[in-house]
Amino acid sequence: EPEVTQTPSHQVTQMGQEVILRCVPISNHLYFYWYRQILGQKVEFLVSFYNNEISEKSEIFDDQFSVERPDGSNFTLKIRSTKLEDSAMYFCASSEAGSDGYTFGSGTRLTVV
Amino acid sequence: QKEVEQNSGPLSVPEGAIASLNCTYSDRGSQSFFWYRQYSGKSPELIMFIYSNGDKEDGRFTAQLNKASQYVSLLIRDSQPSDSATYLCAVTDGGFKTIFGAGTRLFVKA
Repeated sequence: EPEVTQTPSHQVTQMGQEVILRCVPISNHLYFYWYRQILGQKVEFLVSFYNNEISEKSEIFDDQFSVERPDGSNFTLKIRSTKLEDSAMYFCASSEAGSDGYTFGSGTRLTVV
Repeated sequence: QKEVEQNSGPLSVPEGAIASLNCTYSDRGSQSFFWYRQYSGKSPELIMFIYSNGDKEDGRFTAQLNKASQYVSLLIRDSQPSDSATYLCAVTDGGFKTIFGAGTRLFVKA
């Protein structure tokens, strides 16, 4: 079964450092997403990406965040200057159509110290 | 602020029983409705979606949608211990964002 691949599975970084989280969506999917889940809390929308541009973003997705599709397979989330409150599980997801349910990756646990 | 509300549980049912999970949403413009299952420490996994009023069945799972009442439910028949997980209700308005509820924890006792 096709899957969304995320790396690394766990990242520890110092406050103020930049991190890049990587994702390989399912190859025939056209819509890509980043969500995050702080421990014990809801899955929160960060950003959606379609046709090589951001289609929607949340209030959380401020100037510290950026996304990129550097080639035909990878989809990345960059956090420029990490804060303690950025510690969370970050999920990449993809879907074939915008109204479809998602296939989620296994997540990257980001710990900011 | 668009909201998706779920009872956090835990909901405890004996093996073989029917588990009933409920969800309400605030945005009347919502168009697509999803149920995801999330095991502890894992990512959400799509189990059902429903777009139209009424019932939709897939194996042991039945999703029910009532747009007038802004209510979605998930029934799990013949519950198994492996169904023990957190069930997330999720809603989209036809745009590019899905809003998730906080989830209901289900325990199925063997």
